[in-house]
Amino acid sequence: QVQLRESGPGLLKPSQTLSLTCTFFGDSFTSGNYYWNWVRQHPGKGLEWIAYIYYSGTAYYNPSLKSRITISIGQSQNQFSLELASVTTADTAVYFCARGDLIHGINVWGQGTTVTVS
Amino acid sequence: SVLTQTPSVSGTPGQRVTISCSGDNSNIGPYPVTWYHQFPGTAPKLLIYASDQRPSEVPARFSGSKSGTSAFLAISGLQSEDEADYYCAVWDDGVKGWLFGGGTKLTVL
Repeated sequence: QVQLRESGPGLLKPSQTLSLTCTFFGDSFTSGNYYWNWVRQHPGKGLEWIAYIYYSGTAYYNPSLKSRITISIGQSQNQFSLELASVTTADTAVYFCARGDLIHGINVWGQGTTVTVS
Repeated sequence: SVLTQTPSVSGTPGQRVTISCSGDNSNIGPYPVTWYHQFPGTAPKLLIYASDQRPSEVPARFSGSKSGTSAFLAISGLQSEDEADYYCAVWDDGVKGWLFGGGTKLTVL
């Protein structure tokens, strides 16, 4: 059973770059046709898909955030990362990494990490 | 593209409630829908995938369906522990990624 865990700074100042890493266990990028995602949830609000990277390295970004985000596969085969540039207070949210596919949707989630921009 | 959910729904224990998710032909029309519930401070948990399929660990009280560009989650035999936020999600051709509905808060009276 794959498990995912997010790690990141917790607190940033406006204009800084947010860097988050997702480490997963029990799977690898070479195992199959999975989409490796970042999703966020603003305080008291709904879920917002940010980006995914496919096992092949292809990446797609939410058009509303595209100009500021980069998703990449890590050095090890069980990590992927998100960078969000020029953060503002509007980027304060819980950030989840998650695995998905076109049949099951985004079906395996990390516990989330809280990011505050202040 | 937007997925529209009713913001809130309520019911009494034992009742059946239905939550709807409305999209269009770039998302719900051609693609399978996923449903989640989320309790405060936790990650979303999968309830329904492929529009009407239930993981083995999810009680049979939860069922999903899809018709045209709308999807539905039904919860029968409502229990107090079902009180949570419920979200639909689906692939969208325009975004080339996943869309989430705005969420429905279920209150068990």
